[in-house]
Amino acid sequence: QKEVEQNSGPLSVPEGAIASLNCTYSDRGSQSFFWYRQYSGKSPELIMFIYSNGDKEDGRFTAQLNKASQYVSLLIRDSQPSDSATYLCAVRVADKLIFGTGTRLQVFP
Amino acid sequence: SQTIHQWPATLVQPVGSPLSLECTVEGTSNPNLYWYRQAAGRGLQLLFYSVGIGQISSEVPQNLSASRPQDRQFILSSKKLLLSDSGFYLCAWTPGLDGYTFGSGTRLTVV
Repeated sequence: QKEVEQNSGPLSVPEGAIASLNCTYSDRGSQSFFWYRQYSGKSPELIMFIYSNGDKEDGRFTAQLNKASQYVSLLIRDSQPSDSATYLCAVRVADKLIFGTGTRLQVFP
Repeated sequence: SQTIHQWPATLVQPVGSPLSLECTVEGTSNPNLYWYRQAAGRGLQLLFYSVGIGQISSEVPQNLSASRPQDRQFILSSKKLLLSDSGFYLCAWTPGLDGYTFGSGTRLTVV
């Protein structure tokens, strides 16, 4: 079983819609959870991190964590074509950050 | 403010040649440092990480090695490159447990 799993996509949503990206992880001891955005050919950039169960909002982005279900999600409201990218979920295990393979999001006008 | 520098941006090397990629962090001390590789269309694979000078942990046994000669310098090396070493190499740092920041990456093509 992979440590961090994501659906590879692509997830296609129309402009203005809510995009929902999901991630599951296997290590129950994980304490910190991250979402990165990666444009083609570029390095990943941090969007949000979350530690506690529940929701964390930052602008159009909301991260949701459910430790009992070992589930992390990212909601993007009012999706824009500029949000089209690959979204990487990452989980901190001890001193290491373990990544999923990413979900490709396509926002069409 | 803290910044991370990684170079070169692109590299084309023949099979069997050596490799040296360098990463430095400015504006902080005693960072945790990481080397990741991303093969074409694949996820990020952790290669090495370091929580202090001279402390290197290897995640994937292969023909690559890493060194940390100074507090804010992390070097990825190989004595003889393989075709399978091609990929996008990313250095990352964190001051502690969170806020991992990536460098701009090195795209390596082994021919």
